[in-house]
Amino acid sequence: EPEVTQTPSHQVTQMGQEVILRCVPISNHLYFYWYRQILGQKVEFLVSFYNNEISEKSEIFDDQFSVERPDGSNFTLKIRSTKLEDSAMYFCASSEAMAAHYNEQFFGPGTRLTVL
Amino acid sequence: QKEVEQNSGPLSVPEGAIASLNCTYSDRGSQSFFWYRQYSGKSPELIMSIYSNGDKEDGRFTAQLNKASQYVSLLIRDSQPSDSATYLCAVNMFGLTGGGNKLTFGTGTQLKVEL
Repeated sequence: EPEVTQTPSHQVTQMGQEVILRCVPISNHLYFYWYRQILGQKVEFLVSFYNNEISEKSEIFDDQFSVERPDGSNFTLKIRSTKLEDSAMYFCASSEAMAAHYNEQFFGPGTRLTVL
Repeated sequence: QKEVEQNSGPLSVPEGAIASLNCTYSDRGSQSFFWYRQYSGKSPELIMSIYSNGDKEDGRFTAQLNKASQYVSLLIRDSQPSDSATYLCAVNMFGLTGGGNKLTFGTGTQLKVEL
């Protein structure tokens, strides 16, 4: 069964450093997403991406964040200068389409980001 | 502020019983509704989607949607210890300007199925 994969599973970084989180969405999916979940809190939307463009972003997704589809399979989230409050689990998700009945989002296993 | 509300629990049910999980949402424009299961330290796993008023059954799971009441529920029949997890309700506002396809999640209800 096709699945979303993410690397690394755990990333530890120093405050102010740049990190890149990587995702491989399900191969026939066209819509890609990043969410995050701070420990003990709800899952929060960060950004959605379609046709090589950001289609929607949340208030969390400020200038420190960027996303890219560098090739036909990978989808990345970059945090330019990490802050302590960026420590969270980051989930990548993908969906086949946006229309109802095709917009089920499937989540990857996540990357736990720890900022020291 | 568009919200999705769930009782955080824990909801404890004996093995074999029916577990009933509830969710309300604030935005009447919401179009798609999902239930995810999340084990501790793991990612959300999609278990049910529902788009129309009424019931949708899949194995031991039944999702119920009432758009007039802005209410979604999940019933788990014959609950098993392996069902013990946090159940997340997620709502999508596809179709409205600016709604895109983002999911708004509730805080989740922790379910404990006891032997």
